[in-house]
Amino acid sequence: DAKTTQPNSMESNEEEPVHLPCNHSTISGTDYIHWYRQLPSQGPEYVIHGLTSNVNNRMASLAIAEDRKSSTLILHRATLRDAAVYYCILRDTNRDDKIIFGKGTRLHILP
Amino acid sequence: EADIYQTPRYLVIGTGKKITLECSQTMGHDKMYWYQQDPGMELHLIHYSYGVNSTEKGDLSSESTVSRIRTEHFPLTLESARPSHTSQYLCASSEAMDNEKLFFGSGTQLSVL
Repeated sequence: DAKTTQPNSMESNEEEPVHLPCNHSTISGTDYIHWYRQLPSQGPEYVIHGLTSNVNNRMASLAIAEDRKSSTLILHRATLRDAAVYYCILRDTNRDDKIIFGKGTRLHILP
Repeated sequence: EADIYQTPRYLVIGTGKKITLECSQTMGHDKMYWYQQDPGMELHLIHYSYGVNSTEKGDLSSESTVSRIRTEHFPLTLESARPSHTSQYLCASSEAMDNEKLFFGSGTQLSVL
């Protein structure tokens, strides 16, 4: 199964943009890229997903490299409430849909 | 937004007891999942279901069992709890359509003494 690689942790200042990278060099053509985040003491919540084109929603933007071997989650203006663990996962429901989470990136926001 | 509920939120129990962690969703989702997570660690998939009467083992071996008799209900049972079962258990669901997002419950924090 295709895997993702993310930095263990990142820091950012409040009210600045944050770029969270994810490498998925073995991604297949039918894998979607999903991002979730987990706030302290809560279950994960969906952030965004995409296949090839960049995606925007009210929470974030997803920039996908042209070769699809990497992607970047962009938080345009970080707040203290964005401090969480961010997970990048690949999902292909054409295969057995075991949704596997990696270790994610722990994002620290500095006031 | 998410209509998926887990009970109890916290459970402290003695070794050898039988326990059932409840998970219910009111969204009519066919797919449901159980994950186990230790503090500061990654989530591990232990069980999943594609629909009624469908259950599969996840990537992490678990002594727990699950059942899916009704679409909305996906309980997890430990026949004889041990301290090694102490962990957070998270339930999730999604629609059967391709790549539908997961909705997670708030989790059950289990402590076995």
